[in-house]
Formats: sequence, C-alpha cells, structure tokens
Amino acid sequence: AQSVTQLGSHVSVSEGALVLLRCNYSSSVPPYLFWYVQYPNQGLQLLLKYTSAATLVKGINGFEAEFKKSETSFHLTKPSAHMSDAAEYFCAVSDGGTSYGKLTFGQGTILTVHP
Amino acid sequence: DTAVSQTPKYLVTQMGNDKSIKCEQNLGHDTMYWYKQDSKKFLKIMFSYNNKELIINETVPNRFSPKSPDKAHLNLHINSLELGDSAVYFCASSFPGQGYYEQYFGPGTRLTVT
Repeated sequence: AQSVTQLGSHVSVSEGALVLLRCNYSSSVPPYLFWYVQYPNQGLQLLLKYTSAATLVKGINGFEAEFKKSETSFHLTKPSAHMSDAAEYFCAVSDGGTSYGKLTFGQGTILTVHP
Repeated sequence: DTAVSQTPKYLVTQMGNDKSIKCEQNLGHDTMYWYKQDSKKFLKIMFSYNNKELIINETVPNRFSPKSPDKAHLNLHINSLELGDSAVYFCASSFPGQGYYEQYFGPGTRLTVT
C-alpha cells in the first residue's frame, strides 16, 4: 500500500519569500511522485512529476521538487512567492502500471501569500 | 479545445434521488478515473477504466455505478443519494506513456445532497 503525508495543512509566507511545502511518502515499490495545485473552485493542475530520471525536478510557475529516497521525501519549493501562488497543493504517489496509475493523495496544504 | 470536461458543474438534489455525472476527454487517452474530494478536500480514487473495462473499484458503495460507453467517455451514476455523497467529483484521464500515467483532471462536479 502507498501513502502520502503532507506536513502542515496551512503554510503562510510573505510575497517574495521562500515557499517550502513538505511531502513524505511510503511505497513498497519505486514510486512516481506528483505535485498538483488546485485554485479555488477549479480542478487539479499538474505542477511537476518525478519519474525516476533526475532527482531534482523543475515544474511550471517556478516550482521545483527534490526526490530524496533516503528521507522518503518530495518537498516542493519556490524561491520567491508570488500572490498568484495562493492555492491548495497536493502531493500524490503512484506505482505506475501496477495499478494503472492510481494516485494516492496527501491531505493537501493551503498556501497563503501575504503582501 | 477542453481536454477533460465534466457536466454538470454543479448538481443540487434531494436525498433518495438518482443522478448522473458525465465526463469526456479529447486527449486520446485509454485510461479514465473518478475521484471524490470530500468536504475536507481529501481526494480519493473511486474507479478506473482502461479501454472501457473496469480495472479499479475502491470499495465504493454499489449505489455508485460507472459506465464507459467508449474510451473517451466515463459516466458516473449514483442511486438513492445520501447526504454523505455531497462532495466534488473529479474525472481524470491518462496515457501510460513511459509507465507513470500522467493524469489530467476535469474541472469537477460539485454535488450537494439536501
């Protein structure tokens, strides 16, 4: 079974500050890992994905994440927060073809950006 | 040129009624999914279809019946609606690609049962 834990249901930063959203996973097989963003009343948009290639993954809107197998982590970062980054962020894990890509999601982290 | 679309976007109905939600994707994907997002924003998979065949059924009550008439469509029919069915239902589709099944989500259907 796979699971994802997102530490911190709410993160608040000032505009221009570093954004760090934490994600730890559990998987019995090499995982595929994803970060999705959900803006209010909208669907989920893929920010970035780890697919066993490079451990440092760059995504859209200036976000990146680093896969650390020893720490079973896949934390999301952005050097400088923008007001438009305010949204809810979900980390998800999949074992790929074994379960046809079924995603197991974390609980979500709401990011608030203050001016 | 919407990739994954769902209808309706909002659905308000009374307990005991039967309702359907429709999903269509124009990405040419083989695999489609239904996810439920509850009031605490927790997302959980309900069903998955691959080439019109059911491949994942995550212990969802049998009042929920998905149907895939073709690869591009996956509908969700719910019988005897209960208050606890109130949630946002997301459809998604994916292509195996290099094995990781990158999923594309629809805009969601907000179901409110009164």
